Amino acid sequence: DGGITQSPKYLFRKEGQNVTLSCEQNLNHDAMYWYRQDPGQGLRLIYYSQIVNDFQKGDIAEGYSVSREKKESFPLTVTSAQKNPTAFYLCASSIHRESETQYFGPGTRLLVL
Amino acid sequence: QKEVEQNSGPLSVPEGAIASLNCTYSDRVSQSFFWYRQYSGKSPELIMSIYSNGDKEDGRFTAQLNKASQYVSLLIRDSQPSDSATYLCAVLDGSSNTGKLIFGQGTTLQVKP
Repeated sequence: DGGITQSPKYLFRKEGQNVTLSCEQNLNHDAMYWYRQDPGQGLRLIYYSQIVNDFQKGDIAEGYSVSREKKESFPLTVTSAQKNPTAFYLCASSIHRESETQYFGPGTRLLVL
Repeated sequence: QKEVEQNSGPLSVPEGAIASLNCTYSDRVSQSFFWYRQYSGKSPELIMSIYSNGDKEDGRFTAQLNKASQYVSLLIRDSQPSDSATYLCAVLDGSSNTGKLIFGQGTTLQVKP
């Protein structure tokens, strides 16, 4: 059963805490993306990776970090520097950067305690 | 800054009617356009992609593209209550080869029985 999985579904962050959101895909896709969605708004790109061991900042990278050590995995860390982290976080992947069609995981909703 | 504009709605149509969703974009070199459907609390799912001027039909959905006017639309024929969702327009950033998509804020569609 191929697809993109994200965990956890809900995540609570305390003040000053770093938290990591998981994104895994078994589609053999090269490119992976992290988006943030705030209520009533579209998706904004945080980070993206086109190949293992390489990633680039998107439009709103401040306060976030990523790694891409394996093709299947692209975890996102929300650091304490991100002052307004409450949002719906979406991971997506595409076969490669020239194939622009992106498919999304189910998302993680991050809430601040 | 490249932008994708959608009327946030809500757009309300009776069951069985045609729903027309519109999107304009600022990036003249964009070549790829996508419509995603997003149910409340869920992640976006791809409905249609379109790359050439004109119409592209898939079942009850028709995407229309006019690059000269920088306009893309989605028509939903025989609208059903299950079509009630937010529809996101996405445009490929044409000035880079990153596969980056630029999203509009979405149009909420309500189909009334």
